[in-house]
Amino acid sequence: GAVVSQHPSWVICKSGTSVKIECRSLDFQATTMFWYRQFPKQSLMLMATSNEGSKATYEQGVEKDKFLINHASLTLSTLTVTSAHPEDSSFYICSARPRGPYNEKLFFGSGTQLSVL
Amino acid sequence: AQKITQTQPGMFVQEKEAVTLDCTYDTSDPSYGLFWYKQPSSGEMIFLIYQGSYDQQNATEGRYSLNFQKARKSANLVISASQLGDSAMYFCAMREDQTGANNLFFGTGTRLTVIP
Repeated sequence: GAVVSQHPSWVICKSGTSVKIECRSLDFQATTMFWYRQFPKQSLMLMATSNEGSKATYEQGVEKDKFLINHASLTLSTLTVTSAHPEDSSFYICSARPRGPYNEKLFFGSGTQLSVL
Repeated sequence: AQKITQTQPGMFVQEKEAVTLDCTYDTSDPSYGLFWYKQPSSGEMIFLIYQGSYDQQNATEGRYSLNFQKARKSANLVISASQLGDSAMYFCAMREDQTGANNLFFGTGTRLTVIP
């Protein structure tokens, strides 16, 4: 099956620093990638949708200047949490939609646990 | 209104028995897709099964089957012959096709514990 690689798997950083999370589709081209956030024991909440070569579309309530998304190629999207604060601590997970027909499925990365001290 | 509702926060099942995880959905979009994902403690989301709104038959994938009742807007997941490795969080999700975004709306999940 299709593989989405996400790293780092976990990161601990000091308050005020920026953290970059990468999401790569390893064996397919992804026209669209999605970034989700998951708090403990809660569901996944969509943060933003990114299409290759265009600006990301952010969900209501998500600060686009804080969560920078870049989708520079059909296999790579990055999420940068700028000036991270403890309330940004969460599990972040990306998913990718393969290009072409029969692409109902979204394939997920393994997630990144961010802890901001 | 919630697009996806999972009313069972936790479920227990005896090993080798079958279990049904409930999911109801709410949409006015005539074309949509329903998904089930498994999330073990390691965090990754594992795709299990997909049902399209126009599919006539219930989807099946190995030990997983989806009991799709369109009029009732339910899409329950049935796991047959439960195994210890099935213990995980299970999320029901929906994609609305007319929005064109293809993002998924997730339910709050059900934690399944398989008892030996």
